[in-house]
Amino acid sequence: GAGVSQSPSNKVTEKGKDVELRCDPISGHTALYWYRQRLGQGLEFLIYFQGNSAPDKSGLPSDRFSAERTGESVSTLTIQRTQQEDSAVYLCASSLTGGRTEAFFGQGTRLTVV
Amino acid sequence: AQSVTQPDIHITVSEGASLELRCNYSYGATPYLFWYVQSPGQGLQLLLKYFSGDTLVQGIKGFEAEFKRSQSSFNLRKPSVHWSDAAEYFCAVGLSGSARQLTFGSGTQLTVLP
Repeated sequence: GAGVSQSPSNKVTEKGKDVELRCDPISGHTALYWYRQRLGQGLEFLIYFQGNSAPDKSGLPSDRFSAERTGESVSTLTIQRTQQEDSAVYLCASSLTGGRTEAFFGQGTRLTVV
Repeated sequence: AQSVTQPDIHITVSEGASLELRCNYSYGATPYLFWYVQSPGQGLQLLLKYFSGDTLVQGIKGFEAEFKRSQSSFNLRKPSVHWSDAAEYFCAVGLSGSARQLTFGSGTQLTVLP
C-alpha cells in the first residue's frame, strides 16, 4: 500500500475486555515496530519484528500484551483484560529492513478503556 | 539508562519568525539522533537524522538541526516558520540507527500565529 495503515483508528472498550489492533505495513518492508504513546508522553517501544527472526518483545509492559505478524505482512497487537492505564495511542511503523532505513509510521489507533 | 528531554512542552511563534526546538539527551555513547513531526491525525514523519559526520544536518521542509556533543544537544531550527509547520515535534535517540528501541522525548507542541 501507499503507507502504513492501522485499524481501527479509534477504539473504546470496557475494562477487562480484550482488544486487537491491526497494522498493515508498507508492502516489501521486512521490519515492523509497535509503539505506545500515552497522553503527554513520548513513544514507548513495545515490540519489533524483522523478517522470520524471533520478535524482540523486550518493550511489552506485561503478559497481557502480545503481538503476531504473518510473514512480512499484517501484524496484530492484542491486549487482554484491558486496564485503564492501557489507554493510549498505539502506533505501528515499518521499514525496508531493520537497519538504518527510515521507519514510516501509521496514524495510530487511539484506545480508550472505560 | 538513556533519556531524552524536550524542555519546552509548548512553543508559540508568529509566521515568518525563526524557530528553535530544544532536545537534550543522556546516553552512554554518542547515539543516533532523529527529529520527527506529527501533524494532527497523521503518523510521525521523519524530518532529519544524524548518524555521523557533519554536525549540522539538513532535513525536509526547510528544517535543520545541529548536534553538539559537548552539550548533549540536538536542537531543531527553521529560519522562517510557515503556518503549516504547526504540529508536534519529537526528538528521538537510538544506539543502532534503526527505529528499533528508539527513545523518544515527550514532544513539543508548536503553534504558529498568523
